[in-house]
Amino acid sequence: DVKVTQSSRYLVKRTGEKVFLECVQDMDHENMFWYRQDPGLGLRLIYFSYDVKMKEKGDIPEGYSVSREKKERFSLILESASTNQTSMYLCASETGGAGETQYFGPGTRLLVL
Amino acid sequence: DAKTTQPPSMDCAEGRAANLPCNHSTISGNEYVYWYRQIHSQGPQYIIHGLKNNETNEMASLIITEDRKSSTLILPHATLRDTAVYYCIVRVMSTSWGKLQFGAGTQVVVTP
Repeated sequence: DVKVTQSSRYLVKRTGEKVFLECVQDMDHENMFWYRQDPGLGLRLIYFSYDVKMKEKGDIPEGYSVSREKKERFSLILESASTNQTSMYLCASETGGAGETQYFGPGTRLLVL
Repeated sequence: DAKTTQPPSMDCAEGRAANLPCNHSTISGNEYVYWYRQIHSQGPQYIIHGLKNNETNEMASLIITEDRKSSTLILPHATLRDTAVYYCIVRVMSTSWGKLQFGAGTQVVVTP
């Protein structure tokens, strides 16, 4: 079974803090994604990576950065957390190619006070 | 990516088949139909996907109409643990990757 794990299920941070969310997959997938999910807004892509050290901006990259130093690990960084970044953060991974499947981690619910 | 239309909610009796409809009338030839579900406060779980042919796996069956403008996800014997929001997604795979766009989905409640 594909396994995507995220470092925390719940996180509470203060405004201005630097926040690290980590994601690890065990299936040697090339592509990894960070989404956020908010009520009424659905799933929105923040960043994705198609290889080690390679990244592309998604639809809402402002206020976020990412790091992929190893193939299995993809980190999302909130440089200076703000209250509007309170959300559910979802990591996903997939093998690149037509008809492939994205597998999601359990999610991190982040609250920024 | 093509949009999808799903009913906002449906109830299903435990042990019965649940048939979840999805309309995707603007689907293109290179777009796949994917189904995911999300149990409250958890990450989305992949169920099944298909391009043209009907598909079946251990979780569900996917029936795609011949014109590909609609599909139905069938959960053959619904259990209480199948209570979740079910998302139908069409996803273009013309490049080596494709983001997922979840709509509002169908809230399925399985009752005893």
